[in-house]
Amino acid sequence: GAGVSQSPSNKVTEKGKDVELRCDPISGHTALYWYRQRLGQGLEFLIYFQGNSAPDKSGLPSDRFSAERTGESVSTLTIQRTQQEDSAVYLCASSLTRTPTYNEQFFGPGTRLTVL
Amino acid sequence: GDSVTQMEGPVTLSEEAFLTINCTYTATGYPSLFWYVQYPGEGLQLLLKATKADDKGSNKGFEATYRKETTSFHLEKGSVQVSDSAVYFCALASSGYALNFGKGTSLLVTP
Repeated sequence: GAGVSQSPSNKVTEKGKDVELRCDPISGHTALYWYRQRLGQGLEFLIYFQGNSAPDKSGLPSDRFSAERTGESVSTLTIQRTQQEDSAVYLCASSLTRTPTYNEQFFGPGTRLTVL
Repeated sequence: GDSVTQMEGPVTLSEEAFLTINCTYTATGYPSLFWYVQYPGEGLQLLLKATKADDKGSNKGFEATYRKETTSFHLEKGSVQVSDSAVYFCALASSGYALNFGKGTSLLVTP
């Protein structure tokens, strides 16, 4: 079956532009997560959705970052007025429900964002 | 706060060599521990996990034992193959839902 997909796979943008990153989770997975991986760093948690609601937005690095999920399916991460420090690989994951101990998170291949 | 520290890479081994990738953690409570692997061009995949102290997770010849006394979860494999070349991430989940990852260790296995 289809796994988690993300688009685009690569995005190069100029500083100050807005970007949208898309995630298509595995069908039927109610939980969806966004992580960020900067060069040489571990994955940072950004935001989590249960259904279409985001109970925890504490990982979003600034108010330039926002995310939404519709139809308990597709999610979009939007970065406004991009800065060079936003350059990273953005990873999306989904799981049947929350609680990673018992519900494996399945990851997409990521979107590599480069801000010039 | 919770954190994971894993050995820095890259690690280069010859085929059939023994592999150890060290991972230690800091967490409140009793976290669950994971190893994820990322093969070139692919997404992160769960390799193995352990949910309580002294549990051993195993998969594809890899093993890791949850050691509460040393707060460690070292990944081992007795005989690596070229196909094991990948980046390995240690992670923990102490509560809720988000995984807390280490920085990753790149492994290259040469024929």
